[in-house]
Amino acid sequence: GDSVTQMEGPVTLSEEAFLTINCTYTATGYPSLFWYVQYPGEGLQLLLKATKADDKGSNKGFEATYRKETTSFHLEKGSVQVSDSAVYFCALSIIQGAQKLVFGQGTRLTINP
Amino acid sequence: GAGVSQTPSNKVTEKGKYVELRCDPISGHTALYWYRQSLGQGPEFLIYFQGTGAADDSGLPNDRFFAVRPEGSVSTLKIQRTERGDSAVYLCASSAQGSYGYTFGSGTRLTVV
Repeated sequence: GDSVTQMEGPVTLSEEAFLTINCTYTATGYPSLFWYVQYPGEGLQLLLKATKADDKGSNKGFEATYRKETTSFHLEKGSVQVSDSAVYFCALSIIQGAQKLVFGQGTRLTINP
Repeated sequence: GAGVSQTPSNKVTEKGKYVELRCDPISGHTALYWYRQSLGQGPEFLIYFQGTGAADDSGLPNDRFFAVRPEGSVSTLKIQRTERGDSAVYLCASSAQGSYGYTFGSGTRLTVV
């Protein structure tokens, strides 16, 4: 079945460091790919998305490129801030009627000043 | 409303009791989803509504779980004979027709004691 595997956490970085959170997927069709973020005490928010191969999603300085050849959608940011501390979830959806999302297990990111 | 509203935000119940969790989606969103997020895990799909009908309930774990959306707006997730293993955060999300990605509510944290 469809699945998403994320880099194990927790990840701790210093402010202004470069961030990569790895995400790979297995899917029978052609999924859309997403990164969701969950800030402390808040609900899940869509961070960025890509709907086809080679698309790059970007938002708030974060980027991820849909790589079909490596079945990956790694999240990157060039210079993280303390306010980026959150749990990040990679997800895919195969739109066949329902746009069901399949999530990875999440990666907790802590940024120290 | 401006976002997806879930009530209550927290619910503590005794094993064997019946609970109802409510979701009020964004006005005009025809698609509504329920997910369950256990501690340290990503959300897992439970059920999807398109309008009033449950178009996909393949994620409901057993027949103790049931959900309705009688007027195509508010939805209620119902759990009978609760068990300690039902303890989790129950998330509701809605989306507009043809859009990618959802808007999630803040969730209901259910604790079965």
